[in-house]
Amino acid sequence: GENVEQHPSTLSVQEGDSAVIKCTYSDSASNYFPWYKQELGKRPQLIIDIRSNVGEKKDQRIAVTLNKTAKHFSLHITETQPEDSAVYFCAAKAGGGKLIFGQGTELSVKP
Amino acid sequence: DGGITQSPKYLFRKEGQNVTLSCEQNLNHDAMYWYRQDPGQGLRLIYYSQIVNDFQKGDIAEGYSVSREKKESFPLTVTSAQKNPTAFYLCASTEWGNENLFFGSGTQLSVL
Repeated sequence: GENVEQHPSTLSVQEGDSAVIKCTYSDSASNYFPWYKQELGKRPQLIIDIRSNVGEKKDQRIAVTLNKTAKHFSLHITETQPEDSAVYFCAAKAGGGKLIFGQGTELSVKP
Repeated sequence: DGGITQSPKYLFRKEGQNVTLSCEQNLNHDAMYWYRQDPGQGLRLIYYSQIVNDFQKGDIAEGYSVSREKKESFPLTVTSAQKNPTAFYLCASTEWGNENLFFGSGTQLSVL
């Protein structure tokens, strides 16, 4: 079955710097890769996703890249702000299969 | 907090006791899921249901049971067989053909 590894587990950046979180997956049939953000005490919410027919997707300060050959995908946050502080989860899903989550990254943006 | 409601927010379980976590959604979503969240381990799938009266085991189903008698409701029972039940439990739902999980606000279960 699918296995998703996420790194780093914690990440601290200065406000205005960029943050990058990386995930690798094991199932080459996986074709959907969402990222969820969970603020302290709140529910996880989808912030961006990418499908296997696309190499990169951007939404304002957030971008996701996918390397199908290497089976890894990354979340990039530019010009970080204190409100970006949260736990971020990557996930991967094969067609018709279950969504498997990474272990999470706790991002801290210091003002 | 409209859409998907979990209750209670906090729950305490005594030794040997079964407890039930409630999950109700008014989004008319077909599929519903239960995840367990432990620090440093991400979200792990316990059970999921894609249609009423049908459900499948996830990756960590042992010690848990579910039912799906109504489309709106997907309760999770943590049985006494679950030896390490302390965790944050998240319920989620998806619309048919849409892979975006919509989460509830969660239930924190602790053992007395």
